[in-house]
Amino acid sequence: QVQLVESGGGVVQPGRSLRLSCAASGFTFSSYAMHWVRQAPGKGLEWVAVISYDGSNKYYADSVKGRFTISRDNSKNTLYLQMNSLRAEDTAVYYCARGGLGRTSLTLHRAFDIWGQGTMVTVSS
Amino acid sequence: DIVMTQSPDSLAVSLGERATINCKSSQSVLYSSNNKNYLAWYQQKPGQPPKLLIYWASTRESGVPDRFSGSGSGTDFTLTISSLQAEDVAVYYCQQYYSTEFTFGPGTKVDIK
Repeated sequence: QVQLVESGGGVVQPGRSLRLSCAASGFTFSSYAMHWVRQAPGKGLEWVAVISYDGSNKYYADSVKGRFTISRDNSKNTLYLQMNSLRAEDTAVYYCARGGLGRTSLTLHRAFDIWGQGTMVTVSS
Repeated sequence: DIVMTQSPDSLAVSLGERATINCKSSQSVLYSSNNKNYLAWYQQKPGQPPKLLIYWASTRESGVPDRFSGSGSGTDFTLTISSLQAEDVAVYYCQQYYSTEFTFGPGTKVDIK
C-alpha cells in the first residue's frame, strides 16, 4: 500500500545537525513533489520545505531558509531533510507528505494527500 | 506570504448537528487561468498525522464521507460537517497551496457538546 515512513529523529543539542529520512513505497516516488511539514508540541502545522519530482526545484519556509536542505534520491525512493544550526524552536514532530503528481512547475501546487506518521526532533541542551 | 486565519478557534456541537468552520486567506487563492481555488482542508485526530479531506476548496478526497463539504472562493472558505459523528472529533486545518509557501491556518478544534 502507499506508505511514507520517517526516521532519524531524536534529541540533539542546539547548534548541532540532524538528517531526517522518509522512505516511500507503494507509488512511483520519482513522479511526485514531496514536502516536509512540522508540528511543535501542542501547536499547529507548519510547512517546512518542498522539492519537485526530480529535485530541480526547492522552496523553504523563511524560518528554516539557509539552515535546512531538502533533497531526494529517486533511486532509493527516499526523501531527506538535512537540518543544521538547530534551535530550540525547531523542536517538533516532522512529517513527510506527498505533493503533486507531474513534471511541470504547476504540479508543485497540489494538496498533500499522503502523510507519514512523523518523527520527533527535540533540540535541547 | 499568504496568511491563513480560521474561526472559531474551537466549537462544540451535538451529535447529528451541523459544524461550520471558516477560513480566510490574506490574498486570493483563486488561479484565474483554471478557475481553481488552491485551498485544502485537513483533519487531524490526536496522535495521528493529518488526513486530506477536501482539495480545490470543494472536491472531497476519495473515501471521505459525504457529510464533509467545502465551499467558498477567492479569500473566504467554509468546511461543513453536516451531521457530526463521534469520530469527527479532531482539529481541522485549512491550507493554501497557491504560493510556494504552503501556509496552514491555525486550526479549529471540534468537540462533542
